Amino acid sequence: DGGITQSPKYLFRKEGQNVTLSCEQNLNHDAMYWYRQDPGQGLRLIYYSQIVNDFQKGDIAEGYSVSREKKESFPLTVTSAQKNPTAFYLCASRTGLDYGYTFGSGTRLTVV
Amino acid sequence: ILNVEQSPQSLHVQEGDSTNFTCSFPSSNFYALHWYRWETAKSPEALFVMTLNGDEKKKGRISATLNTKEGYSYLYIKGSQPEDSATYLCAFLYGGSQGNLIFGKGTKLSVKP
Repeated sequence: DGGITQSPKYLFRKEGQNVTLSCEQNLNHDAMYWYRQDPGQGLRLIYYSQIVNDFQKGDIAEGYSVSREKKESFPLTVTSAQKNPTAFYLCASRTGLDYGYTFGSGTRLTVV
Repeated sequence: ILNVEQSPQSLHVQEGDSTNFTCSFPSSNFYALHWYRWETAKSPEALFVMTLNGDEKKKGRISATLNTKEGYSYLYIKGSQPEDSATYLCAFLYGGSQGNLIFGKGTKLSVKP
C-alpha cells in the first residue's frame, strides 16, 4: 500500500544533541512538508519541498534543517539550536492541487 | 498575520445526534480550504478540498459548505456515531496554488454511545 512512513514513533534526545527524523513516501508525490504540533496549537509548518534538491523555510524553521536528495525521502534534523524541540512532528506530502495532503503517523520527540 | 479559527474547541454529543462546527479564514486571496479528520493514534486523513464559493461536498454522513466571501466553512455530521470521534482540522491554503496550508487548532468531537 502507498503511504508515508515516519520513524521512529518515539524519540528521546539529550539536550545539546542533534537528531534526525525520517520521512519516506512511496506515493510519487512531488511536494513534502514537515509540521510541528504543540499542545493547544494548530500544526505549524517547519520546512517544505516542492521538488527534489529544493526546499524552503516555513514559519518556524529556526533550529531545524532538511534535505531532499531523493523524491521519496525528506528527513528533518532537529539541531541543538532549537530551543524547545519537545513536540509532535508530522510529515506530509501531496500530489495535485485538488487533493488533500497525505500525512504520516508522526514522531514524538522528547528532550531529556 | 493569517489566522484560521475553529469553533467550538471541543464538543461532546450522544450517538445519533447531528452536529456541526465552524472554520473561519481570511476572505481575501482565497485559493482552497481543506478539512481533515484526525483520530487518536492515527494519521490525519483528508476529508474535503473546497475551492469554489458556495461549494458543498459530501462524504457519507459528513458534509461541508464554503463561503469564501465571508470567510467561513461549516462541517456537518449527520447522526453521529462513536467512530466519528476525532479532531477535525480545517486548513486555509495561502500563497496560491503552490502555497502552503495554515491550520486551525481543530475541533475535538467525542460521541458517546
